[in-house]
Amino acid sequence: DAGITQSPRHKVTETGTPVTLRCHQTENHRYMYWYRQDPGHGLRLIHYSYGVKDTDKGEVSDGYSVSRSKTEDFLLTLESATSSQTSVYFCAISGASGRLNTGELFFGEGSRLTVL
Amino acid sequence: SQQGEEDPQALSIQEGENATMNCSYKTSINNLQWYRQNSGRGLVHLILIRSNEREKHSGRLRVTLDTSKKSSSLLITASRAADTASYFCATDLTGANSKLTFGKGITLSVRP
Repeated sequence: DAGITQSPRHKVTETGTPVTLRCHQTENHRYMYWYRQDPGHGLRLIHYSYGVKDTDKGEVSDGYSVSRSKTEDFLLTLESATSSQTSVYFCAISGASGRLNTGELFFGEGSRLTVL
Repeated sequence: SQQGEEDPQALSIQEGENATMNCSYKTSINNLQWYRQNSGRGLVHLILIRSNEREKHSGRLRVTLDTSKKSSSLLITASRAADTASYFCATDLTGANSKLTFGKGITLSVRP
């Protein structure tokens, strides 16, 4: 199994509070991704990173920010959580180290966030 | 908008039977991938097929790709109860950064 750890795995918070989800990898892979999974929508890309301090928006980036100060950590922040952000969040890394990208993604176990 | 759409949405078969799942997409792709997700778990990569390939095999899995029809199929032969899961197709448009677009998934139930 790829070394990907997400934390926290479960979180309940209130509307308007900030939330940060952490993704940690031990594989030294260049690319990291944050997806959200919702019934009826499948997985949708929020943000991704192609290197330290290099990030870009995905399909559903509004209300989310990310940071990557080290290769191994990719943080997803909800500055002011809303009920529409209740979801399961998955971190993924590409099947590559260095510049060569083999194409497949390896996923973490997910972080279930409930915003009341 | 959803790039890949799977069909059917749900499939229930008996153990030992074959399961066929289909995926259609809208724009040209670099590669197409299939993933499995067991309940409450993360997605697991199954197989990747590139745009210049027509068929790939991996164990009991067979994937085909028809770029003229913009469609792919995943065949699981001799299914087992342990194959019960959700299956997703994902398309990679550029092949440069694995920014995959996923479909909504197919729920496969294999009855013992």
